[in-house]
Amino acid sequence: DGGITQSPKYLFRKEGQNVTLSCEQNLNHDAMYWYRQDPGQGLRLIYYSQIVNDFQKGDIAEGYSVSREKKESFPLTVTSAQKNPTAFYLCASSIGTRSYEQYFGPGTRLTVT
Amino acid sequence: ILNVEQSPQSLHVQEGDSTNFTCSFPSSNFYALHWYRWETAKSPEALFVMTLNGDEKKKGRISATLNTKEGYSYLYIKGSQPEDSATYLCAFYNTNAGKSTFGDGTTLTVKP
Repeated sequence: DGGITQSPKYLFRKEGQNVTLSCEQNLNHDAMYWYRQDPGQGLRLIYYSQIVNDFQKGDIAEGYSVSREKKESFPLTVTSAQKNPTAFYLCASSIGTRSYEQYFGPGTRLTVT
Repeated sequence: ILNVEQSPQSLHVQEGDSTNFTCSFPSSNFYALHWYRWETAKSPEALFVMTLNGDEKKKGRISATLNTKEGYSYLYIKGSQPEDSATYLCAFYNTNAGKSTFGDGTTLTVKP
């Protein structure tokens, strides 16, 4: 089955630690995205990548980093510089970044204490 | 950051009621608008992509319209069913931004 996988579903970390969230897709999509959702809010774009070895900051990139070394993988690192890292993180992919629909993974809920 | 607004924030209806909600977006440099449905414990799924002023799309009991000149899209659900309960998100893409901007969503609860 084609789709997007994110792991783990739940992640707990201590404050001050970096943590990397995994996102893999086997849809052969060029574009991939990371979103953050906080209670009562919509999806806010952290980073996106239109093609391998290229990525751009979204609206809330501070305290996050990404890499896109392979077409199918787009890991997100939440660094200790991110002031409020506890949130629900969604990864998505699409054929391209313009009018194409996005396909979403199941999400990772990160709790930092 | 582009401003995409959805209203109402939440909606509670009885089974069989018809309902509608709104997505408002900047009318300049419009390229596309997407509607997604996000059910609890699932991933968001695309409902419609709309690109032309006056577009009307339909999928079963759900339909959507688009007005790019005034910057809004309506989503209609006819004869709501409990399985329609979900958060409905719109995402706006304009030619300058290079990326989509999501609204905060409308959460629909349909009571049996």
